[in-house]
Amino acid sequence: SYVLTQPPSVSVAPGQTARITCGGNNIGSKSVHWYQQKPGQAPVLVVYDDSDRPSGIPERFSGSNSGNTATLTISRVEAGDEADYYCQVWDSSSVVFGGGTKLTVL
Amino acid sequence: EVQLVESGGGLVQPGGSLRLSCAASGFTFSSYDMHWVRQATGKGLEWVSAIGTAGDTYYPGSVKGRFTISRENAKNSLYLQMNSLRAGDTAVYYCARGTTKGYFDLWGRGTLVTVSS
Repeated sequence: SYVLTQPPSVSVAPGQTARITCGGNNIGSKSVHWYQQKPGQAPVLVVYDDSDRPSGIPERFSGSNSGNTATLTISRVEAGDEADYYCQVWDSSSVVFGGGTKLTVL
Repeated sequence: EVQLVESGGGLVQPGGSLRLSCAASGFTFSSYDMHWVRQATGKGLEWVSAIGTAGDTYYPGSVKGRFTISRENAKNSLYLQMNSLRAGDTAVYYCARGTTKGYFDLWGRGTLVTVSS
């Protein structure tokens, strides 16, 4: 089965740029979607189809995907961005999630 | 208001059964694929099942043969019948709306299922 690998944690100071990676075999050939989940809340879609943003999501959130790595980039990080982030793809009629990355804002 | 509301969670003994429901409102339910996703406490998201607009169903190996997803478009409702429950099935279960491009654009708040004796 297809595996998505994320770093367990990423830390960044306010105002800096956070990059959260999602590794998978030839993931560049798939569409990658990203979710933000804050404690006690349901996930929220922040990026879909590698780099598109749903309405209401700040432009600070962007994505890219190439080769074996997809990346969620959060620019000008704010305290309110502290959350868990999950990547997701479809593979062989199954939904696959990455293990999640906890973003800590220092 | 566009929303999904899950219900039916609770405490069940190992080997027991439980049926979850998800009530959809504010959109044309019959036009969307629907999914169940679960999350154990402190753990990541795990996809549990999907049902297409034509009633086609999909499951991961971890629940195949034990869980059954179904939908009732006339009632704007999604269901998950869970049998032969195990401690490892303990989680918050989310109902989620799927899109043709494979992502989930609407989630419910979840319902907690606890499997314990």
